[in-house]
Amino acid sequence: GQNIDQPTEMTATEGAIVQINCTYQTSGFNGLFWYQQHAGEAPTFLSYNVLDGLEEKGRFSSFLSRSKGYSYLLLKELQMKDSASYLCAVRDGDYKLSFGAGTTVTVRA
Amino acid sequence: DAGVIQSPRHEVTEMGQEVTLRCKPISGHDYLFWYRQTMMRGLELLIYFNNNVPIDDSGMPEDRFSAKMPNASFSTLKIQPSEPRDSAVYFCASSDALAGYNEQFFGPGTRLTVL
Repeated sequence: GQNIDQPTEMTATEGAIVQINCTYQTSGFNGLFWYQQHAGEAPTFLSYNVLDGLEEKGRFSSFLSRSKGYSYLLLKELQMKDSASYLCAVRDGDYKLSFGAGTTVTVRA
Repeated sequence: DAGVIQSPRHEVTEMGQEVTLRCKPISGHDYLFWYRQTMMRGLELLIYFNNNVPIDDSGMPEDRFSAKMPNASFSTLKIQPSEPRDSAVYFCASSDALAGYNEQFFGPGTRLTVL
């Protein structure tokens, strides 16, 4: 099975940077994913890492260290619309995703 | 592209009643996933299908839950009999080989309340 840990809540100011950490313990590993979920809406895909290193996509970047069982999602130039829950998920050998509990990010003006 | 379609969007029922949730995946997607989300347990995978065949149903809570996919464009999740602890948001998601199955596209969800 999977054990995925991420902080429950984070607060940051508009225009700032926030880093959401995720640690995992897994019996198999075939990728780490980040999803964004606004309140009352469905999750939407943000990023995918399977190799160590940093993947950058606009204002969002995701990092993976497989040896440490660690990932982070970096949100830069925060905007009010970035207020949402961010879900870390791990895929094992097949196509199953196991999700963490999510980190609620609140962006303040 | 209409995206993943789920119906109904909201369902309120009484304990003991049968509930059927419906999902239409994105056309051409060959993987379909059913998830349940609650505050206590987060987002959990219940079952997934590949080419209409159930691959892994280890997340289905108990025999009261069943899922079918009679064709590539339709799937159902049935709860019989329903219980208050089944109250949750149920999401359907689909994916395909275009992005290496790395992105799952979620439907809007069905919010189920069992009284």
